[in-house]
Amino acid sequence: QKEVEQDPGPLSVPEGAIVSLNCTYSNSAFQYFMWYRQYSRKGPELLMYTYSSGNKEDGRFTAQVDKSSKYISLFIRDSQPSDSATYLCAMFSGSARQLTFGSGTQLTVLP
Amino acid sequence: EPEVTQTPSHQVTQMGQEVILRCVPISNHLYFYWYRQILGQKVEFLVSFYNNEISEKSEIFDDQFSVERPDGSNFTLKIRSTKLEDSAMYFCASLEGTARAYTFGSGTRLTVV
Repeated sequence: QKEVEQDPGPLSVPEGAIVSLNCTYSNSAFQYFMWYRQYSRKGPELLMYTYSSGNKEDGRFTAQVDKSSKYISLFIRDSQPSDSATYLCAMFSGSARQLTFGSGTQLTVLP
Repeated sequence: EPEVTQTPSHQVTQMGQEVILRCVPISNHLYFYWYRQILGQKVEFLVSFYNNEISEKSEIFDDQFSVERPDGSNFTLKIRSTKLEDSAMYFCASLEGTARAYTFGSGTRLTVV
C-alpha cells in the first residue's frame, strides 16, 4: 500500500464550481498536512497547512483533516480559471521532517 | 515575500558529467532540502540538511550525490556522474526552525543526454 494516495484526475469543472480534492494515507505517524499548488514546470506553492483534525479556512480554500480515517481534503469554493493547476497533498511526522507527497490531482477550471 | 532561489532554471548535460545545482534558501531558515520530480511522477525526497550536516537521506541519494553549504547563503546539490535517469526537476526547499511549512524554489530542470 502506498503511503499517500491521491486521485490523479484529471478533474475538469466549470467556473464557480466547488472542487473537492482528497488524499488518504496509511502512516498514522503523520501529523502535519499540507496542500501545495503546482503550475507546469514550477515549484510547489504552499496553499494550506494544518496540524490537527478539523477544518481550516483561508479565503476560498478549506482544508479538512480526519486523522481517525487517515483522510484529508481540500475544498475550493467559487473556482476560477486561475485555479487550474496540479494540487499536491503532502505530509510528515514530527520526528522526520521529510515530506511525503501524493501523486497530485490535475485540475482544470473552464471559463 | 522571501523566496528560495534556484539556478540554473534549466541544465543540459552529457551522461557521465558532473553537475552542480545551486540554491539560495531563505536567510533565517535552518533546514534545507532537495527533492526531485521525474516527469509525470511524484515529488520525492532526496536529502535534508541541518546544522551543516545531512540529517536524513532517501535511498535515491546514493554515493553519486552530495550536498554542501559552502557559505552562509548557498546550498548545492552535486551529482558526480550523471545518468539518463537523473533527468528530472530538482527542487530546493527550506524551513524555518519552528514552522512546519516548507518554501520551495522554482526548480532546476536537469536533462541528461
